[in-house]
Amino acid sequence: NAGVTQTPKFQVLKTGQSMTLQCAQDMNHNSMYWYRQDPGMGLRLIYYSASEGTTDKGEVPNGYNVSRLNKREFSLRLESAAPSQTSVYFCASRSGLLQETQYFGPGTRLLVL
Amino acid sequence: AQSVSQHNHHVILSEAASLELGCNYSYGGTVNLFWYVQYPGQHLQLLLKYFSGDPLVKGIKGFEAEFIKSKFSFNLRKPSVQWSDTAEYFCAVTPYSSASKIIFGSGTRLSIRP
Repeated sequence: NAGVTQTPKFQVLKTGQSMTLQCAQDMNHNSMYWYRQDPGMGLRLIYYSASEGTTDKGEVPNGYNVSRLNKREFSLRLESAAPSQTSVYFCASRSGLLQETQYFGPGTRLLVL
Repeated sequence: AQSVSQHNHHVILSEAASLELGCNYSYGGTVNLFWYVQYPGQHLQLLLKYFSGDPLVKGIKGFEAEFIKSKFSFNLRKPSVQWSDTAEYFCAVTPYSSASKIIFGSGTRLSIRP
């Protein structure tokens, strides 16, 4: 099993450009998450999907959209990138059962100029 | 609002020193508690977790954590750190009432002097 995979690993964008970060998991998990990690601020939840067909806002959803394409895939879209969105983005998945942990992807480093 | 506080932002220790990293959460109901570790350049990995039962939980690599319900705390400990423990450590909480939601603390960076 590959676990949680993310593409791309690195990306440089200009302000105003759009892009989609892809995430897939092969563990048949119900819940999927997108976080951003910034120095001194830990992990902040952007959006999550408790199950296929549902999405909910996290702490910092502004400037982002998500799509739960199917049970395996959960994408994060930046419609008009801003320098404040420079960050490392992590996708995670979880079975959805109360006592189960999250499994994280390797991350995407995004630089917005 | 629910939150998780890690008061130590950066801890520097020498090898063989003992470690304790603080974690406090604000939520009145029942919770599940986690500690994750992120080694340099890597993604987060689970260190240990508490769901119920014995409040002293043992994890990988000699780490343990104690859940003290009255103090809303879940501090991470290790009796003798190694240089390879250099990493960032995150405490996280899942409220029973919202099983899909996991709230992370801001992290503690641990630097070990060889």
